Amino acid sequence: DTAVSQTPKYLVTQMGNDKSIKCEQNLGHDTMYWYKQDSKKFLKIMFSYNNKELIINETVPNRFSPKSPDKAHLNLHINSLELGDSAVYFCASSQGEGQYGYTFGSGTRLTVV
Amino acid sequence: DQQVKQNSPSLSVQEGRISILNCDYTNSMFDYFLWYKKYPAEGPTFLISISSIKDKNEDGRFTVFLNKSAKHLSLHIVPSQPGDSAVYFCAASPGGSQGNLIFGKGTKLSVKP
Repeated sequence: DTAVSQTPKYLVTQMGNDKSIKCEQNLGHDTMYWYKQDSKKFLKIMFSYNNKELIINETVPNRFSPKSPDKAHLNLHINSLELGDSAVYFCASSQGEGQYGYTFGSGTRLTVV
Repeated sequence: DQQVKQNSPSLSVQEGRISILNCDYTNSMFDYFLWYKKYPAEGPTFLISISSIKDKNEDGRFTVFLNKSAKHLSLHIVPSQPGDSAVYFCAASPGGSQGNLIFGKGTKLSVKP
């Protein structure tokens, strides 16, 4: 039973399209995150939500919009996809703000062509 | 600007020997440090952590050492096993109420039988 699950695992799409990545956690954690791993392999925070409320919004283009319908879900919607958006996107969760034991999903590899 | 640096992209060791993975950081406000392990096509998994008030934390074959004056931490794996072959990420937290982790670029460890 997967603790943090992301769908889809792979996503290939054309420039200009709009796509969504879904994330669900069944750990009862209060905080969820989106991280991006780019071609240089850095894992960078994009967003953090605590109990459905946005806590962290790093310098991310506003084409990226997270949505948290409840504390178990944090979806990522991306408008007008660009080539530079190609990366692996990881969802993660933790027990709360300031709690450091993240549980990561297995990642979504997004390729924009 | 990389606040967490892992200067060795790869490391190869013989089974049974010690593996030492290094990490340097620049922000003296970091108060918590973690190591994550990542296998291909999977998300990072939490391995071991250390608070800035300690200089050593041990868990089985894994030991993390923190040298605050040098802003350096290291992960020792003894004895190394082929199953330890993975990418190891060092991460640091800037403290406060936010659980945002800042990751290094990772070091790929290969343990040869």
